[in-house]
Amino acid sequence: SQQGEEDPQALSIQEGENATMNCSYKTSINNLQWYRQNSGRGLVHLILIRSNEREKHSGRLRVTLDTSKKSSSLLITASRAADTASYFCATAPQGAGSYQLTFGKGTKLSVIP
Amino acid sequence: EAGVVQSPRYKIIEKKQPVAFWCNPISGHNTLYWYRQNLGQGPELLIRYENEEAVDDSQLPKDRFSAERLKGVDSTLKIQPAELGDSAVYLCASRQGQETQYFGPGTRLLVL
Repeated sequence: SQQGEEDPQALSIQEGENATMNCSYKTSINNLQWYRQNSGRGLVHLILIRSNEREKHSGRLRVTLDTSKKSSSLLITASRAADTASYFCATAPQGAGSYQLTFGKGTKLSVIP
Repeated sequence: EAGVVQSPRYKIIEKKQPVAFWCNPISGHNTLYWYRQNLGQGPELLIRYENEEAVDDSQLPKDRFSAERLKGVDSTLKIQPAELGDSAVYLCASRQGQETQYFGPGTRLLVL
């Protein structure tokens, strides 16, 4: 079963624009992680945000977490064609460390040059 | 440092045939995962190993799937016999200490 639900399922933007993806989850978490998957490849870890954090930055990435709403968002600023990929949120349940991750269905991002 | 290695990258078989996938995790990573990813979906955990021990195989369809991790390093995942619904990408991931998982490129299985 999948804990997270990303929204939108697909997103198409012009190069240089910002892209925002959202993730909602159901149960209490220890942390939430975002991964990227290029077509035909494995997943690559992007950023981790803990349950006691509200916002985190890494380069052009900004992640927010609202535990009261059980939701997170991933913002990619100044998008590039190379950002075209599927983006997944993954949650680690509270009390279980990060040994177990449950992934959402992903958002497919297309950045048009 | 080499990443997680998986082979083969692609496999096409007829239904009812057996198939096996191999994974070599990052050196020193004690935790190894096998996931299945259906088209348009996120990865779903099949089994997790801590060294040689399978500590979570609750999602592994045990009637036809088996896995092993001899010596706590490489791992194989086997399906026998394969069914049409097994067509998917099989991902291997590993981790050690840190909270992030490192994924291999996956094996894309097509059952005809």
